[in-house]
Amino acid sequence: NAGVTQTPKFRILKIGQSMTLQCAQDMNHNYMYWYRQDPGMGLKLIYYSVGAGITDKGEVPNGYNVSRSTTEDFPLRLELAAPSQTSVYFCASSYSNSQGEQFFGPGTRLTVL
Amino acid sequence: AQSVTQPDIHITVSEGASLELRCNYSYGATPYLFWYVQSPGQGLQLLLKYFSGDTLVQGIKGFEAEFKRSQSSFNLRKPSVHWSDAAEYFCAVAQPSAGSYQLTFGKGTKLSVIP
Repeated sequence: NAGVTQTPKFRILKIGQSMTLQCAQDMNHNYMYWYRQDPGMGLKLIYYSVGAGITDKGEVPNGYNVSRSTTEDFPLRLELAAPSQTSVYFCASSYSNSQGEQFFGPGTRLTVL
Repeated sequence: AQSVTQPDIHITVSEGASLELRCNYSYGATPYLFWYVQSPGQGLQLLLKYFSGDTLVQGIKGFEAEFKRSQSSFNLRKPSVHWSDAAEYFCAVAQPSAGSYQLTFGKGTKLSVIP
């Protein structure tokens, strides 16, 4: 199993550009999550999904969108990138009965200039 | 709302010394608690978890943690640190929300190991 994979690993965007961060998992997990990690701030939940076709906002959803058309994939869309979105983004997944235990991808480092 | 506090931003220990990383949580019900480790440039890896039962839990890489309800703490310990333990450590608490469990993370403690 590859686990949770994320692409790209690194990306530099200009202000106002858009992009999609890709996330896929091959563990047949129902639940998937997107976090952002800023230095000294821990991880903040952006969006999550409890199954295909179902998504919901986390703590910091502004400026982002998600979709979940399949169990495996959970892309994160940035529209009109801003410097405040410079961060490291992590995707995670879990079983529905995991009581919080999540498996994390390697992350995407995004810089908006 | 739940919260997690890791009082120490950065800790430096000598290789072979013992380690204790502190974690305090605020949560109304019985907490589900986790410790994750993040090596430089990597994602987060689960070290150990506490759901219920024995308050001393064992994890991977020789780590253990003790849940103390009276102190709202879940401190991580290792008797003898190895240079490869240098990383950032995150404590987290899980809260049920809309059919899933959402993790709230502390801000992390960076561990440096002196050879």
